[in-house]
This record gives sequence, C-alpha cells and structure tokens, in this order.
Amino acid sequence: GESVGLHLPTLSVQEGDNSIINCAYSNSASDYFIWYKQESGKGPQFIIDIRSNMDKRQGQRVTVLLNKTVKHLSLQIAATQPGDSAVYFCAGRGSTLGRLYFGRGTQLTVWP
Amino acid sequence: DTEVTQTPKHLVMGMTNKKSLKCEQHMGHRAMYWYKQKAKKPPELMFVYSYEKLSINESVPSRFSPECPNSSLLNLHLHALQPEDSALYLCASSQAAGSTDTQYFGPGTRLTVL
Repeated sequence: GESVGLHLPTLSVQEGDNSIINCAYSNSASDYFIWYKQESGKGPQFIIDIRSNMDKRQGQRVTVLLNKTVKHLSLQIAATQPGDSAVYFCAGRGSTLGRLYFGRGTQLTVWP
Repeated sequence: DTEVTQTPKHLVMGMTNKKSLKCEQHMGHRAMYWYKQKAKKPPELMFVYSYEKLSINESVPSRFSPECPNSSLLNLHLHALQPEDSALYLCASSQAAGSTDTQYFGPGTRLTVL
C-alpha cells in the first residue's frame, strides 16, 4: 500500500540551531511531495514541495531533500526560531489523483 | 493570495441537530477537499470535488453530506452526528486534482458534538 511515515514524533532544538525532520515513504510511484507546518489551532500551512525529478529544493530558510533510492525525504530548517515551533507533516501524492498520503507528524519545539 | 476561508471557526452541536460547515476560495481553483483531523493525528481525507463534481468519497458515513454549489464554495452538511465525530474539519483547494497540484488548507472548523 501507499504510506508516508515519520522517523521521530518529537524534536527539540535550541533557537538558532538547524533542524532536520525526516520522513520515509513506501510507494515508488509517488511523484510529488509536500511539507506542511501546522501550528496549534490552525490549518496546515504549505512550506515547500518537491517533484520526484529533483533531489533538492530550497526555500527561505528551508531545504527539502529527496532520496528516491532509499525512499526518504527530509526537511531542513536553518537557524530555527521560536515561531518554527509546530507540527510538521510530510505528504506524498499517490497514484489516485487528488489523494495525499500524510505522515504522522513531528512536533518541533524550539527552546531559547 | 492563497487563502481558503472556513466558517464557523467553532461549532458545538447536539446529536439531533443539523448544521453546515462552509468553505470558500477565490483562487480559481477547481478542486476542493474536506478533511477530518483528530488531535495529534494527520488529516484524513473525506471528500474530493473536481470541477464541482464529487470524485472521491472515502466511505464517509451518510450523516456527512458534501455539496459544491459553485467553483468557489464547498459545504459540509451535518446531521445526527455522534460524539466521536468531534474533530477539526479542514477544507483545502488546489488548481485541479492533478498529480502535482498543491493543496492549500483553510484554518478549519473545530466541531464538538455533545
């Protein structure tokens, strides 16, 4: 079946450090991946996406890496700030149009 | 502008009530989605509308009834809900239901069923 999972449910980092959130997927046919950030009481917010024909994509303070060989996805946040504290979900696009497969989420906590 | 709006923000209803959740987007997107999210869990897909037609129904109980009156609006009609239906209900939209179309989420409606 198709699934997207996360390696760690929680991650605590000190303000200013870099954060790395990992995700694994099972479906080789997944051709598109998204990272969402969800703050408490809010809806998921799009952060960055990557297509399967790429292995790296950079945004503002964020980088997504895709390793298709081992079916692994990671989100790197540079100089993590208290405002980055949230739950981060990876999601993969499956073979059925319109369907996203979400990972379980990683709670990122940034402490001063 | 990537804004999806949802009303109401919070809703408390009894098991015999009928209520509706509303979602709106003005990005010209032609695919709209309803998700249910329980605490500390990822969103679960309920329904997908593509070009105002229902394209995916994830075996959702009939007490949830979606409606897409036009390309900008999506409703979820609720009737005879159970306490276990209490959750955050999220609406999302994308340009189409294509393989690389990013879904943008609204803030959600926090539903409590008494």
